[in-house]
Amino acid sequence: DAGITQSPRHKVTETGTPVTLRCHQTENHRYMYWYRQDPGHGLRLIHYSYGVKDTDKGEVSDGYSVSRSKTEDFLLTLESATSSQTSVYFCAIRDPGQGLDQYFGPGTRLTVT
Amino acid sequence: KNEVEQSPQNLTAQEGEFITINCSYSVGISALHWLQQHPGGGIVSLFMLSSGKKKHGRLIATINIQEKHSSLHITASHPRDSAVYICAVRGGATNKLIFGTGTLLAVQP
Repeated sequence: DAGITQSPRHKVTETGTPVTLRCHQTENHRYMYWYRQDPGHGLRLIHYSYGVKDTDKGEVSDGYSVSRSKTEDFLLTLESATSSQTSVYFCAIRDPGQGLDQYFGPGTRLTVT
Repeated sequence: KNEVEQSPQNLTAQEGEFITINCSYSVGISALHWLQQHPGGGIVSLFMLSSGKKKHGRLIATINIQEKHSSLHITASHPRDSAVYICAVRGGATNKLIFGTGTLLAVQP
């Protein structure tokens, strides 16, 4: 295991409510990523972080924000959830040049009703 | 056109068969990854390669940089190999991972 956990693992929420997903790592890696996985699409990058308080947008960032106040935690927030944000969300960490380079968390299945 | 294309999208095999999954990409890359995802499960990294060939157990991954193509081979396939296999490349303008849509493999006993 690469020492990545995600919480919650499953969540059902209503349209318009805020939702925060947490990714926690024990590896002290600098790079962390949030992806979403939807049928018919490859994994798509939402936001990523290259250090504490250093974050940037991915290709599908609209409607999402992130924060990283500690190396080990990367939070993904849906300010006002919509049905189009129903998806499986994966966090990943990266250790450039080492081993398999990028490791994925177990995923969070989010349903917005 | 997607920057990473996998073929086939779906594959059914009989236990024991030799399996090949292909990945073609259209951008310059620094590395290519093969990932495995069991139904309802997490994503496991199988290989990262930038040239040549790597082997792990019954799995073999090859890459041809000039042709922008990679293959994942499974020898002596087993029902537990049933999963989605995902190709991803690190490259393009952003040097982020760009993912294919995956190949769904079903190995029947």
